[in-house]
Amino acid sequence: AQRVTQPEKLLSVFKGAPVELKCNYSYSGSPELFWYVQYSRQRLQLLLRHISRESIKGFTADLNKGETSFHLKKPFAQEEDSAMYYCALVASNYQLIWGAGTKLIIKP
Amino acid sequence: SAVISQKPSRDICQRGTSLTIQCQVDSQVTMMFWYRQQPGQSLTLIATANQGSEATYESGFVIDKFPISRPNLTFSTLTVSNMSPEDSSIYLCSVEPSGNTDTQYFGPGTRLTVL
Repeated sequence: AQRVTQPEKLLSVFKGAPVELKCNYSYSGSPELFWYVQYSRQRLQLLLRHISRESIKGFTADLNKGETSFHLKKPFAQEEDSAMYYCALVASNYQLIWGAGTKLIIKP
Repeated sequence: SAVISQKPSRDICQRGTSLTIQCQVDSQVTMMFWYRQQPGQSLTLIATANQGSEATYESGFVIDKFPISRPNLTFSTLTVSNMSPEDSSIYLCSVEPSGNTDTQYFGPGTRLTVL
């Protein structure tokens, strides 16, 4: 089965602390994975794609095929990082499979 | 949470034709959204569809090209009219549960290829 799991519904960390948002996937082929972010009262936007291997707003995500994970990381959290984060996988039928999302709260 | 389905899941269409994409939600929601993700690009909001009122379109999108219907609180359609290859995208429906502006739930998307 093709599936995306974000085990944490809510993650709360202090400003300046490291952040790791977990994403695990189940997919038999070569996955194409994304992280999307939705800031309060704004619409969803793409944060990064694993193919581009870029770093956006200090966030990185490395695809680990052995652990079937695509965790989102940032070494030092900032208050403006508070948002909903969604992990998504492009399935074999080219549709998107979404994780349930993790609400990240950065405490001052 | 909300469970969202979209039909069709994918389609290949000829230039100049139109395609209507359906979005069905398993619960009543006030706000529904239509997005587009073109190859290699980020997700773009096309319009917001609230039941009982005209859809609100974002800059660069017009009703003649992307007519939207929202006949009730669980269903919406997006039509891509007079298609060209530039319309090839994944089209996503999403919903925002009433009273919760911090969470959206997304459908699986419809992958459209225009030849």
